[in-house]
Amino acid sequence: DAKTTQPNSMESNEEEPVHLPCNHSTISGTDYIHWYRQLPSQGPEYVIHGLTSNVNNRMASLAIAEDRKSSTLILHRATLRDAAVYYCILRAPTAGGTSYGKLTFGQGTILTVHP
Amino acid sequence: AAGVIQSPRHLIKEKRETATLKCYPIPRHDTVYWYQQGPGQDPQFLISFYEKMQSDKGSIPDRFSAQQFSDYHSELNMSSLELGDSALYFCASRRGGRSAQYFGPGTRLTVL
Repeated sequence: DAKTTQPNSMESNEEEPVHLPCNHSTISGTDYIHWYRQLPSQGPEYVIHGLTSNVNNRMASLAIAEDRKSSTLILHRATLRDAAVYYCILRAPTAGGTSYGKLTFGQGTILTVHP
Repeated sequence: AAGVIQSPRHLIKEKRETATLKCYPIPRHDTVYWYQQGPGQDPQFLISFYEKMQSDKGSIPDRFSAQQFSDYHSELNMSSLELGDSALYFCASRRGGRSAQYFGPGTRLTVL
């Protein structure tokens, strides 16, 4: 599996935007970029995913570099409830039987949000 | 909305005992995944099932086995438990054709 690199930790203030970076220089042309987060004492939670174009949903935005070697998860207004470990994960497509969608978690970014 | 259900939420066993963890996926989800998260560790993929057939296998010990039943629920059976098996065990489900996996709250297994 292609590897991702994320900062160990980041800090933010409440109601400010947060930009969480992820490097994935060995990404293959068909890998999807997924973001999950894990709040304390909970199971991981899906945040967003994308392939080439930037993506927005109600939780966050995903900005993908043109060469796809890096991406940034954007939380537009951080709240205390956003304090979690954020994982950037590359996942092969499930179509065609090449992958059944398992997630390979690496070291994520611990986000601390200050009131 | 319905979520992934796992039972039991907490389980305490002695070394060399057996344990069975259950997972009930979200309705209409056809793929189930099991993950193990040791203390201070990141989740590690164990095994997955698609339409009741094993679809992928990760770092699952031979002492562990799992299956998916006709109603799509899944069970993880763990035998000859060791102290190192103490961990959180998460089940996740996914609907075919969709990307997102939805995780359950986990079962905390403690082996004494």
